[in-house]
Amino acid sequence: EAHLVESGGGLVQPGGSLRLSCVASGFTFSGYWMTWVRQAPGKGLEWLANINQDGSETYSLFSVKGRFTISRDNAKNSLFLQMSGLRAEDTAVYYCARAQRGLLLSYYYYNMDVWGQGTTVTVSS
Amino acid sequence: SYEVTQPPSVSVSPGQTARITCSGDSLPYQYSSWYQQKPGQAPVMLIFKDNERPSGIPERFSGSSSGTTVTLTITGVQAEDEADYYCQSADSGGTSVVFGRGTKLTVL
Repeated sequence: EAHLVESGGGLVQPGGSLRLSCVASGFTFSGYWMTWVRQAPGKGLEWLANINQDGSETYSLFSVKGRFTISRDNAKNSLFLQMSGLRAEDTAVYYCARAQRGLLLSYYYYNMDVWGQGTTVTVSS
Repeated sequence: SYEVTQPPSVSVSPGQTARITCSGDSLPYQYSSWYQQKPGQAPVMLIFKDNERPSGIPERFSGSSSGTTVTLTITGVQAEDEADYYCQSADSGGTSVVFGRGTKLTVL
């Protein structure tokens, strides 16, 4: 069974940095796109970043470009999110998710079929 | 930027049918997915590619698409279906992802 476990969350001061990790098991990690999504307290889901199977392509939300970097280590079945310049509004639960992406009848699909349990990031002084 | 719009809330009595819509100008040109999230839990994918259901998802959940609107239909709503529901799509290149703001389903 496919499984994702996030770690690395915690309390950090404004302006600080944090590196989130997500370890995959139960599936061939290197065969999938991966995604980070966050959810601020009482708010909805917000997509942050995607990375393709070999890490050669990354895409991220405009508002976090330059502050958040997605990466992966396929040898360790691991996905990462390096966050810097953290702000109070970055306080959220951060989820990693396995993604399915493809082209069907000339249109793309991108969906997230396996999610981790989330790791909480709190940015506060 | 690309946006999709959902109603903030839908209410339905047990056994009835709930329909949650999601609208966006680009929805005719991209596939959509639906996710269910219960308090304190991670999201669960209910529907992908507009109308496909992953294994393990009950048949009472179905998806459809018409023009600029996609719809999640829950037939024979049960108390356990009370949750937040999110639609999700992607840009034309299938790389940037967008979520709706979510719809809270209340089972009366």
